[in-house]
Amino acid sequence: AQSVAQPEDQVNVAEGNPLTVKCTYSVSGNPYLFWYVQYPNRGLQFLLKYITGDNLVKGSYGFEAEFNKSQTSFHLKKPSALVSDSALYFCAVRLPLTGGGNKLTFGTGTQLKVEL
Amino acid sequence: DTGVSQNPRHKITKRGQNVTFRCDPISEHNRLYWYRQTLGQGPEFLTYFQNEAQLEKSRLLSDRFSAERPKGSFSTLEIQRTEQGDSAMYLCASSSGLAGGDTQYFGPGTRLTVL
Repeated sequence: AQSVAQPEDQVNVAEGNPLTVKCTYSVSGNPYLFWYVQYPNRGLQFLLKYITGDNLVKGSYGFEAEFNKSQTSFHLKKPSALVSDSALYFCAVRLPLTGGGNKLTFGTGTQLKVEL
Repeated sequence: DTGVSQNPRHKITKRGQNVTFRCDPISEHNRLYWYRQTLGQGPEFLTYFQNEAQLEKSRLLSDRFSAERPKGSFSTLEIQRTEQGDSAMYLCASSSGLAGGDTQYFGPGTRLTVL
């Protein structure tokens, strides 16, 4: 079984400061890892993914995430937060094997609030 | 707009009624997924199609739920005899099935309220 944990329900950060949204995962094998963002009453918008290779992945809107296999983590980061980054962020995992299905397993989400 | 579209965006129904949602994937995508999201939770997988074949169904998908993708393009999700517990956001996603992680792109969702 695969699972994702987002230990923080909410993260508050001042505009211009760096932000980190934490994610840890549990899966058998080498995972594919994803971050999505959700604005109110909207669907999920893809930010970035880790498949293989460089542990630091860069994505949309200046976001990046670092894959750490030993700590089974995939934390989302941004060097300088914007008020417009305020949204609900989801980490997700899936197995790369086609036999394992293609479903994404999501964490419970972290509400990011960026204040002036 | 060439993204995933879903209709209707909102649906209010009375308990016991049947409802049907439609999803139109990104045109070149052969994989289509349905998820359900309740308040305060992440999306939960319901079912997955590759072309017109339904390849995986979650245990969450009770007998009252049925999904189809008859021509391998759009998909419908029907809920029969709705219950208050069915109130949720129903999300559709599609992907190309190509290598590179096969990113799923989501539609705006259909919010169902069962009175």
